[in-house]
Amino acid sequence: EDKVVQSPLSLVVHEGDTVTLNCSYEVTNFRSLLWYKQEKKAPTFLFMLTSSGIEKKSGRLSSILDKKELFSILNITATQTGDSAVYLCAVPIQGAQKLVFGQGTRLTINP
Amino acid sequence: DTAVSQTPKYLVTQMGNDKSIKCEQNLGHDTMYWYKQDSKKFLKIMFSYNNKELIINETVPNRFSPKSPDKAHLNLHINSLELGDSAVYFCASSQDRGTVNYNEQFFGPGTRLTVL
Repeated sequence: EDKVVQSPLSLVVHEGDTVTLNCSYEVTNFRSLLWYKQEKKAPTFLFMLTSSGIEKKSGRLSSILDKKELFSILNITATQTGDSAVYLCAVPIQGAQKLVFGQGTRLTINP
Repeated sequence: DTAVSQTPKYLVTQMGNDKSIKCEQNLGHDTMYWYKQDSKKFLKIMFSYNNKELIINETVPNRFSPKSPDKAHLNLHINSLELGDSAVYFCASSQDRGTVNYNEQFFGPGTRLTVL
């Protein structure tokens, strides 16, 4: 069965800290891995990763994929209270459009 | 200018009732989806339609029936509501069904359904 597992499930840090969120997967015909940020409403797209070892970066957020060890990490440096959200990892399967999501990591940044 | 919109945003109803949630996208996309997010924030796909044709139908009770009158709309009708149906339901759309490469899915704001 296709599976995506995220850790930790919950993380509380202080503003300015750096955090690393983990996502491991077991899927057939892997093509890509996605990261989403969900604040109060809809998940918003952050990154799509398809190749091992190539870092994707957007401001203080960066992500990398390891297709050999079947995981990805999402790093956030110099965290701000606005980074507080649930971060979701997902892998498309079955002809690319069915997304299998992990449980999410709830990140709380305290001032 | 909302890309993917859902109505209503909140829905509180009694067990046993029948209710519908509507979704519309103005992005010109061919494919639309319904997801359910439970209290633990676990997001799971329920259905997907491509150009009004059902392409993904997960193991969902047949009390849930999606309907796509045209490719810009995908509604979700739920019969005989149960307590366990309480969740946030998200609609999403993508350019097409992405048979080879993933097509980014754009999510609506969600409908919080509470069954009492």
